[in-house]
Amino acid sequence: AQSVTQLDSQVPVFEEAPVELRCNYSSSVSVYLFWYVQYPNQGLQLLLKYLSGSTLVKGINGFEAEFNKSQTSFHLRKPSVHISDTAEYFCAVTFSSNTGKLIFGQGTTLQVKP
Amino acid sequence: NAGVTQTPKFQVLKTGQSMTLQCAQDMNHEYMSWYRQDPGMGLRLIHYSVGAGITDQGEVPNGYNVSRSTTEDFPLRLLSAAPSQTSVYFCASSFGPVDEQFFGPGTRLTVL
Repeated sequence: AQSVTQLDSQVPVFEEAPVELRCNYSSSVSVYLFWYVQYPNQGLQLLLKYLSGSTLVKGINGFEAEFNKSQTSFHLRKPSVHISDTAEYFCAVTFSSNTGKLIFGQGTTLQVKP
Repeated sequence: NAGVTQTPKFQVLKTGQSMTLQCAQDMNHEYMSWYRQDPGMGLRLIHYSVGAGITDQGEVPNGYNVSRSTTEDFPLRLLSAAPSQTSVYFCASSFGPVDEQFFGPGTRLTVL
């Protein structure tokens, strides 16, 4: 079955430290990859996406992610986090270019400490 | 543009009651989806639509019905509410199948 796995449910990190949030997906011929962020008591907003082309994708708020086809991974990184980055982060994958059917991972809560 | 709107924001139901969660978008998006969010489980797709008159099941469709009579509206119906349907429900829309999905603010539903 098609699936997305986020390996860490919570990631605590100190302010200004680097962070990596991990995401793996089940292998497929074609995949379209997304990272969304959810701030407390809000809906989701897009951080970045990979459709094709360069495997390193840059998004909003200084985040970036790298598509690794051989590892079936799409890990999210930020070199220096701020308190305001505290939120829940979701990796999501579309395995079809026709339906818009998006499968989400379980989510990772990023807790940035002062 | 209002974007994606959802009503109500909060709802409490008794087991066995039915209700409709409303979702509307004013961006002329063809693709719309309903998700439920539960702690530790991320968002799970309930139903989705690729255009007016076309809907399909997602990962967890049991107990829910949808219809899409217009491009703008995509209501979600709970036929006979159960405590297992206590959740936060999000509606989302996108212009194309691999475009960014825009999410509504959510409906928090409690079934007693």
